[in-house]
Amino acid sequence: SQTIHQWPATLVQPVGSPLSLECTVEGTSNPNLYWYRQAAGRGLQLLFYSVGIGQISSEVPQNLSASRPQDRQFILSSKKLLLSDSGFYLCAWSGGGRGGNTIYFGEGSWLTVV
Amino acid sequence: SQQGEEDPQALSIQEGENATMNCSYKTSINNLQWYRQNSGRGLVHLILIRSNEREKHSGRLRVTLDTSKKSSSLLITASRAADTASYFCATGYSGSARQLTFGSGTQLTVLP
Repeated sequence: SQTIHQWPATLVQPVGSPLSLECTVEGTSNPNLYWYRQAAGRGLQLLFYSVGIGQISSEVPQNLSASRPQDRQFILSSKKLLLSDSGFYLCAWSGGGRGGNTIYFGEGSWLTVV
Repeated sequence: SQQGEEDPQALSIQEGENATMNCSYKTSINNLQWYRQNSGRGLVHLILIRSNEREKHSGRLRVTLDTSKKSSSLLITASRAADTASYFCATGYSGSARQLTFGSGTQLTVLP
């Protein structure tokens, strides 16, 4: 069966520090991968998605970036965090292709920028 | 925006009652899905209904889809305290590599 792992679960970082959140998927190949952000009590905002190694699409211009160095690894990074980057970050995967595949989520990473 | 919108934003009911949440969207879809999120956790897929389907059941869940009105409803029957969570609808569009667009969710509280 497929599993998705995301870490760290909780992170407190000072303003201006770098960020690296990592996500790996097991039990499938060529997945689509996603990073979402969720502000407290709000809906999901899609940040990045990837349909293959090295292929990253950005949905929201900001100081975050994403990379996919391996088929089942997705990394969210920032060189300098802002207070507004605080939130709940969710990694997710779906089958390849287009048009409304079910998305499977990790357990999320809480980021607090202080 | 293609984003679905849930209604109500928050719902509080007694255990044993039925809970109904609605979702509206703006453009033609491939399918509509409902997800559940417990506080501080990831989202979990509940049910998918295709654009050519009108109703679907899964255990205590019943989903309807009215493509003429561009709306869907999620009914949870005989609710339990453990059903307390946020519920999101998500719409899938043909040819979209983004797969799904999520609504802002309904916070359901089931009181024991």
